[in-house]
Amino acid sequence: QSVLTQPPSVSAAPGQKVTISCSGSNSNIGNNYVSWYQQLPGTAPKLLIYDNNKRPSGIPDRFSGSKSGTSATLGITGLQTGDEADYYCGTWDSSLSAWVFGGGTKLTVL
Amino acid sequence: EVQLVESGGGLVQPGGSLRLSCAVSGFSFSTYSMNWVRQAPGKGLEWVSYISSTSSTIHYADSVKGRLTISRDNAKNSLYLQMNNMRAEDTAVYYCARDSSWAFHIWGQGTMVTVSS
Repeated sequence: QSVLTQPPSVSAAPGQKVTISCSGSNSNIGNNYVSWYQQLPGTAPKLLIYDNNKRPSGIPDRFSGSKSGTSATLGITGLQTGDEADYYCGTWDSSLSAWVFGGGTKLTVL
Repeated sequence: EVQLVESGGGLVQPGGSLRLSCAVSGFSFSTYSMNWVRQAPGKGLEWVSYISSTSSTIHYADSVKGRLTISRDNAKNSLYLQMNNMRAEDTAVYYCARDSSWAFHIWGQGTMVTVSS
């Protein structure tokens, strides 16, 4: 059971928009920055969003992040088949003194 | 080019030991905190351990405390994970990851560790 809760799967059609939620508590999301990672099949994870809503260079603005209270959301617009991947949220948990990840969400672009 | 290259994975028997290495290039290794993150086959990401740039601060996941030891050699641009008393549940791909702004900005390609008799 992960400390951060994500839906196991989401799906949408090409060109559409999808959101992935990440729910936590005051000891993690509520008081620390959230980051999001994309893991394409058979590859290492890649940073998509850091500091709740910042994109590293090279990440298209189709990807966005937001945080409210103890929840965070990843948004992806203009879906492409190449976006099919597993997506993970992560943050530091101050009570555990440990980094925690969500269980991951598999995105299917129908 | 920024690169993290893990090595040292393989097959080990339960109770055995293994030492993973992460060779770094393309950035000033001594100024960054580093982490190990693992992923069991078909499972999600699990953070394993953190080490600050000067090794003054170290954290471990509860699941590995007392058995895994993180270390670094800034002169050799290398990060290490000493794994002792290994268990079947340690079977995973192990990634090293560079830490900054409370996120893992750079990841290695991973090295597979299998614990089995």
